[in-house]
Amino acid sequence: DAKTTQPPSMDCAEGRAANLPCNHSTISGNEYVYWYRQIHSQGPQYIIHGLKNNETNEMASLIITEDRKSSTLILPHATLRDTAVYYCLSPGNTPLVFGKGTRLSVIA
Amino acid sequence: KAGVTQTPRYLIKTRGQQVTLSCSPISGHRSVSWYQQTPGQGLQFLFEYFSETQRNKGNFPGRFSGRQFSNSRSEMNVSTLELGDSALYLCASIPNPGQNYGYTFGSGTRLTVV
Repeated sequence: DAKTTQPPSMDCAEGRAANLPCNHSTISGNEYVYWYRQIHSQGPQYIIHGLKNNETNEMASLIITEDRKSSTLILPHATLRDTAVYYCLSPGNTPLVFGKGTRLSVIA
Repeated sequence: KAGVTQTPRYLIKTRGQQVTLSCSPISGHRSVSWYQQTPGQGLQFLFEYFSETQRNKGNFPGRFSGRQFSNSRSEMNVSTLELGDSALYLCASIPNPGQNYGYTFGSGTRLTVV
């Protein structure tokens, strides 16, 4: 599994795009990048995952650099309900192991 | 479909006692993982079960154990409770091992050791 590095916290104005970065410089060619988030006092929730192409779903977009050493999760129009801890993971063939993540605060 | 059911939701135990927590995964999901969450250590992996077998184990002492039944329901047990075991214990229901996009977590059991 690849080690991931995320900033501990970020702020975002409500209605603006939230761009959450993640470094995974040791990722190998067949390891996916996964994003989960945890809203206070709830279990983590799956957001999106990708290998090398950019991905988009109803929740977010995932942009992976060409060298795959970093990625950015984009919440296009952040709302107060998006305030949460966001985890970037690249577990390979092992179970998900969560780091400290990025605490995103969406501000009105 | 029904979600992940963890029981009980809250529990208060005294030091030295033991506790058993239960997790019923989503119907059809065959793998279960357990996590401990504390303010200081964050979300830490305990163990993973599939087909009644423990596939992976985190770095926890032997006081922490678990098992999975033939209907995929899982239990975890903590013996000789310590104050530091106070935490939110989360169970993740997974369709099959390795489907890392498919984790669905329960609401957790909040254990307080006094």
